[in-house]
Amino acid sequence: DTAVSQTPKYLVTQMGNDKSIKCEQNLGHDTMYWYKQDSKKFLKIMFSYNNKELIINETVPNRFSPKSPDKAHLNLHINSLELGDSAVYFCASSQRAGGSGSSYEQYFGPGTRLTVT
Amino acid sequence: SQQGEEDPQALSIQEGENATMNCSYKTSINNLQWYRQNSGRGLVHLILIRSNEREKHSGRLRVTLDTSKKSSSLLITASRAADTASYFCATGLMDSSYKLIFGSGTRLLVRP
Repeated sequence: DTAVSQTPKYLVTQMGNDKSIKCEQNLGHDTMYWYKQDSKKFLKIMFSYNNKELIINETVPNRFSPKSPDKAHLNLHINSLELGDSAVYFCASSQRAGGSGSSYEQYFGPGTRLTVT
Repeated sequence: SQQGEEDPQALSIQEGENATMNCSYKTSINNLQWYRQNSGRGLVHLILIRSNEREKHSGRLRVTLDTSKKSSSLLITASRAADTASYFCATGLMDSSYKLIFGSGTRLLVRP
């Protein structure tokens, strides 16, 4: 049983196109994340949703728009794709503790390798 | 800017040897976590150590945390070829963001 799944696994597209990546988790977690991993393996947080509410929104071009229809799903839509968007995008989920200041272990999906040509 | 920096960037050892990876960070943390990433895969959580803990064990893994030096180390004992992967530290910040900031990773190669 896949805990955190992403589709598609590979995405090759041309500059200027719009594409979406989907993520689903069956762990019952209330918080989901999107990360970008570049060619040097540097992993950076992009967005996080807790119970469908956006709680982390890093400095990301507004061409990137996350959407969380329910707490088990977090999708990422990218408009007007650019060459620099080529990377591996990871979805993750965790259970957020009650109260503040306590991040818990995150469970990652297999990643979506996006190549923009 | 990057919160965690890992050292070394790459490590090559013989099967059976121990592997030690270090992580340094800049700001106050709530906890520190270590993850493993096999080539072409997602990250897998290994161990979490809280800011009030100094050492933690899990199987062949031993993690230490020195908050005064803002550093942590991950020791893998009796390494196996299957331990070949990239290892990342991630710091949970002392705020309400629940954000994890990942280090730059150490690529470990265990030669059979």
